[in-house]
Amino acid sequence: DQQVKQNSPSLSVQEGRISILNCDYTNSMFDYFLWYKKYPAEGPTFLISISSIKDKNEDGRFTVFLNKSAKHLSLHIVPSQPGDSAVYFCAASAYSDMRFGAGTRLTVKP
Amino acid sequence: DAGITQSPRHKVTETGTPVTLRCHQTENHRYMYWYRQDPGHGLRLIHYSYGVKDTDKGEVSDGYSVSRSKTEDFLLTLESATSSQTSVYFCAISGASGRNEQFFGPGTRLTVL
Repeated sequence: DQQVKQNSPSLSVQEGRISILNCDYTNSMFDYFLWYKKYPAEGPTFLISISSIKDKNEDGRFTVFLNKSAKHLSLHIVPSQPGDSAVYFCAASAYSDMRFGAGTRLTVKP
Repeated sequence: DAGITQSPRHKVTETGTPVTLRCHQTENHRYMYWYRQDPGHGLRLIHYSYGVKDTDKGEVSDGYSVSRSKTEDFLLTLESATSSQTSVYFCAISGASGRNEQFFGPGTRLTVL
């Protein structure tokens, strides 16, 4: 059973616009959420995280929003740049159990 | 970048043969993980270790075993490889469990014919 779902396999946006990547989870025990970015032939790299006691965390162009009642989180990238083109994974953890979504491929067009 | 290396980076093997993948870290992190990445599934945890000789199963552990005899090395063994184990395997490390981000190695692409 997939406890973390990214329902959009791909997303294409224009350079300078906002990218919004979405993630849903089913396990209410998850209390920490992360986003990873992955380029081809490389391992995922950590991007940003949020604890369940917060509803927003911002780091430069990247903002993660958490809606616990809806079991939903999203990653906003503003403004989007061509170098942001990659696969983005959301992850959710409860103590040592971390689950990942299937990923969303973001393409930022110049 | 966290000091994590994986070897080999690519391997092609035949069904029924044993395969061992190695993960080596220079960060002295306590936790080490093995994941596999498959299309439509994202990353799925195979096994993890929380210290030397301390390991536990993950979400997809059947057909895999692990060993950790030193802090810096975490080995993943496929005792008898099957075609369903064709995948990209990632090792990850973290300084603590759960609420800490994990740092990933570059991956090993394994093909079982």
